[in-house]
Amino acid sequence: DIVMTQSPDSLAVSLGERATINCKSSQSVLYSSNNKNYLAWYQQKPGQPPKLLIYWASTRESGVPDRFSGSGSGTDFTLTISSLQAEDVAVYYCQQYYSTPQAITFGQGTRLEIK
Amino acid sequence: QVQLVQSGAEVKKPGASVKVSCKASGYTFTSYGISWVRQAPGQGLEWMGWISAYNGNTNYAQKLQGRVTMTTDTSTSTAYMELRSLRSDDTAVYYCARDSGSGLFFDYWGQGTLVTVSS
Repeated sequence: DIVMTQSPDSLAVSLGERATINCKSSQSVLYSSNNKNYLAWYQQKPGQPPKLLIYWASTRESGVPDRFSGSGSGTDFTLTISSLQAEDVAVYYCQQYYSTPQAITFGQGTRLEIK
Repeated sequence: QVQLVQSGAEVKKPGASVKVSCKASGYTFTSYGISWVRQAPGQGLEWMGWISAYNGNTNYAQKLQGRVTMTTDTSTSTAYMELRSLRSDDTAVYYCARDSGSGLFFDYWGQGTLVTVSS
């Protein structure tokens, strides 16, 4: 299985500041035939199911604020929140869907708090 | 609007089985697959497997092979996940999630079903 490792495990950022979460895969999730990275990002707030933020590594889901952006390729990816809002406090997960449908895997999660 | 509504919380004894349902509405059920993802208390997300609502094809996570069965009933637009030989470490919130149709990422999720395994 592809192992997804996020860093840091937790992060405290001041309101209005930038938050950056990293995700590294144990093997490339870039599919050469279509040049797409099979990587998604989710936000999960307490007591709620995860919410899709980003797919294909950098495509923002409809309705997601543009302060959220995804970048990276191959094995190294980043989720950036450009100006942290109070409602962004949550746990964030990356997920690879390269090795589908046999073995979808998630990162361990990054807890984001207000400093 | 797309909705996935799951069945209610369950309490089971070790060795028993549980079957969780996920009723879909607001879209053509057979045009998308459904995955099941679980989350143990205070832990991360674990993908359990996927079923095509179109033809019933399934793929299960290797660690659950032999204990899990996923099915669909297209007449009621409902997906089911049955887990057998329950152990205490199966205690978790179980989510159904619709795949996007273009890749196996999940654009809609059920509200979750807490399954507690305890003697």
